[in-house]
Amino acid sequence: GAVVSQHPSWVICKSGTSVKIECRSLDFQATTMFWYRQFPKQSLMLMATSNEGSKATYEQGVEKDKFLINHASLTLSTLTVTSAHPEDSSFYICSAEDRGPDYGYTFGSGTRLTVV
Amino acid sequence: RKEVEQDPGPFNVPEGATVAFNCTYSNSASQSFFWYRQDCRKEPKLLMSVYSSGNEDGRFTAQLNRASQYISLLIRDSKLSDSATYLCAGGYQKVTFGIGTKLQVIP
Repeated sequence: GAVVSQHPSWVICKSGTSVKIECRSLDFQATTMFWYRQFPKQSLMLMATSNEGSKATYEQGVEKDKFLINHASLTLSTLTVTSAHPEDSSFYICSAEDRGPDYGYTFGSGTRLTVV
Repeated sequence: RKEVEQDPGPFNVPEGATVAFNCTYSNSASQSFFWYRQDCRKEPKLLMSVYSSGNEDGRFTAQLNRASQYISLLIRDSKLSDSATYLCAGGYQKVTFGIGTKLQVIP
């Protein structure tokens, strides 16, 4: 089945630094990828839709200058959390849309970000 | 109003019981619907897609009611290993998730 690889699995960084998270579709091409954030005991919240070769579409309330998304190829999308603050500490998960015969959305394993 | 709403539970059921979850959606244009399972501190994993005609996979049955804008998941003969949070998802062009319903199957 479709596999999405997400790295790193966890990261601890200092306030003010930037962190890049990668999301790769390993065996299919993903024109569209999605980035979600999940705080403890809360639902997955869609942050943005990443479209290959074009600008990402951000959900209301998500700062595009803080959460930079790049989708330069059909198999890779990156999310960069810039000038991270402790309140950015969360579980970030990417999802890729598989438009092949087994249509659906496959998730990466997630990245647990802790900002200290 | 949230795009996708579901009862967070928890639902505590005995082993072997049948349990059903419902999930409502607000966007009538939604075309894709899914049920995901999420274990603690893990990524969601697709349990099943939901088709208009309803679909079944072993002990799991999913149904879609477009008129009332809800999807359902039925789990028969619950196993201890079914304990998890079940997320419904749906949307048009983008997928939105419900908060998840926590299921605890007890011996």
